[in-house]
Amino acid sequence: DGGITQSPKYLFRKEGQNVTLSCEQNLNHDAMYWYRQDPGQGLRLIYYSQIVNDFQKGDIAEGYSVSREKKESFPLTVTSAQKNPTAFYLCASAEGYLWIFGDGTRLSIL
Amino acid sequence: GQQVMQIPQYQHVQEGEDFTTYCNSSTTLSNIQWYKQRPGGHPVFLIQLVKSGEVKKQKRLTFQFGEAKKNSSLHITATQTTDVGTYFCARLGSARQLTFGSGTQLTVLP
Repeated sequence: DGGITQSPKYLFRKEGQNVTLSCEQNLNHDAMYWYRQDPGQGLRLIYYSQIVNDFQKGDIAEGYSVSREKKESFPLTVTSAQKNPTAFYLCASAEGYLWIFGDGTRLSIL
Repeated sequence: GQQVMQIPQYQHVQEGEDFTTYCNSSTTLSNIQWYKQRPGGHPVFLIQLVKSGEVKKQKRLTFQFGEAKKNSSLHITATQTTDVGTYFCARLGSARQLTFGSGTQLTVLP
């Protein structure tokens, strides 16, 4: 079935460490997005990509980086510069007005 | 990005009671989308509204878009325990990024 796969489901980061969250889609969507969700709050946009080899910063891009080398993949790196990385990270892809979200990755600090 | 304000933040209802969440913007919206996120899950697209005064129904759910296109509402008739979750409105911007409201967390007491 077509969909979005995020891995890992749970991730732990040590202080000063970079970690990369995976997002893969087989929906053939051009657009992909990364959101951060804190407990009891809405989703905030980190980065988005409308096409391969191009991406734009969202509202809270500081401390994060992305790449879009393939249409199917949009990995997110949480760098050590992100001082409060503990959150639920959601990847999405879109075609027209229809958005599909992955199951998310929960990142915690050790 | 332009904010959409959503109220209430929390709502507890007895099973069988009705529920409504409201989304407001200070500027005219070209569209509004609604999502449901079950506890521990990811947002799932419910509907998109684009026309002034539009009303759409999905079984017990009724979605409305205000005449001035500055507000929207989601009404659930006779809630069931399966309705538990957080309901978000979201605006699709011109750069094709989705801006979410803060959500309304619905608890249905059996």
